[in-house]
Amino acid sequence: DTGVSQDPRHKITKRGQNVTFRCDPISEHNRLYWYRQTLGQGPEFLTYFQNEAQLEKSRLLSDRFSAERPKGSFSTLEIQRTEQGDSAMYLCASSLALRGSDNEQFFGPGTRLTVL
Amino acid sequence: QKEVEQDPGPLSVPEGAIVSLNCTYSNSAFQYFMWYRQYSRKGPELLMYTYSSGNKEDGRFTAQVDKSSKYISLFIRDSQPSDSATYLCAMKDRNTGGFKTIFGAGTRLFVKA
Repeated sequence: DTGVSQDPRHKITKRGQNVTFRCDPISEHNRLYWYRQTLGQGPEFLTYFQNEAQLEKSRLLSDRFSAERPKGSFSTLEIQRTEQGDSAMYLCASSLALRGSDNEQFFGPGTRLTVL
Repeated sequence: QKEVEQDPGPLSVPEGAIVSLNCTYSNSAFQYFMWYRQYSRKGPELLMYTYSSGNKEDGRFTAQVDKSSKYISLFIRDSQPSDSATYLCAMKDRNTGGFKTIFGAGTRLFVKA
């Protein structure tokens, strides 16, 4: 399968715990995005990477959230001291951007986080 | 007011019907317009990608963009039960380098056999 993959698919944790999610983009894609989607809403942009550089972060991304893409390939999203309001689907997407313009984003299946 | 407004539905139609899904937006800088389909517990899948105003057709799907009215539509002809999903409109502002996509809340569609 050459699509975007995410791990784990589901995560249940207790409030206050730290969690980390992984995203593996399509191999030749240079841009990687993280979104959050809550029930009945569309995905909300969190952050994106151009290769290994994190170029933009939404104000939705509080200090408890951190994302990395250390070698410009896979990415991790960590949430520290989780809160019940963090319960959501976390979606990763990747795209191939050439000369500043962006092509379509391909989404992974998401990681569903439940904070008890 | 949200940048992108989309009626959440649900919308229920009989098999074979023509479905019309719509979004309005407020940011006149949006230039790229997309429609995604999302099945339950899956990530969004791109259906249509259009630039600026006009129509684009792909099989049973037609996307329309009216920038003067800040209004976009997706039409599905000969709807099938397999079309039952949530349809998300999405838009991008070229001035941001095309990276930031704003989504509507999604319309849930049910096609009854």
